[in-house]
Amino acid sequence: DIHMTQSPSSLSASVGDRVTISCRASQSIDHYLNWYQQTPGKAPKLLIFGGFNLQSGVPSRFSGSGSGTDFTLTINSLQPEDFATYFCQQSSSSPYTFGQGTKLEVK
Amino acid sequence: VQLQESGPGLVKPSQTLSLTCSVSGGSINSGEDYWSWIRHVPGKGLQWIGFIDYTGRPSYNPSLESRLTMSTDTSRNEMSLTLRSLTAADTAVYYCAKGGSLFDPWGQGILVTVSS
Repeated sequence: DIHMTQSPSSLSASVGDRVTISCRASQSIDHYLNWYQQTPGKAPKLLIFGGFNLQSGVPSRFSGSGSGTDFTLTINSLQPEDFATYFCQQSSSSPYTFGQGTKLEVK
Repeated sequence: VQLQESGPGLVKPSQTLSLTCSVSGGSINSGEDYWSWIRHVPGKGLQWIGFIDYTGRPSYNPSLESRLTMSTDTSRNEMSLTLRSLTAADTAVYYCAKGGSLFDPWGQGILVTVSS
């Protein structure tokens, strides 16, 4: 199985900040990397697919980059609704695996 | 498309879990859609359980395959999951989602606790 490692596991920031979350795959996954956002009590929501493609309806302050084994999710100008847990997930090969999550908290 | 999981919230060890995912706003066997089950084990993250495709053909996570069955009921526009020989390690929030390797949207999830 491809192991996905996210860092940091938690992050404190303020509204208006720019934050980055990293995700590393244990082997190359080309660009088959997706990002999800989950707020407490709600279902995960797809933000970015294929490494950098913004899902319809997702604000442009979210962006993704990377390929191969190293990927980054960037959130520019944090908004109150962005404080949530973020997961990366590889869709390169089955079984499809997730990172352990990064919890973004208010500083 | 909207998805909604249903089933028991508490199951005893060694028993079998049966969950249903009701799909609305779209047909479960239209297009070339895939439908997945994913679970979130407390403290351990998200785990893809498996998918079933628009023809009813399943693909399972090898770590669960020996205990797992997935199926669809096109007349009810539902898919189901059966997980046998449960242990406490199967305690999790279980989600259904549209997609086989990329998941969107997801259901709200159902907490299943395995305990005597």
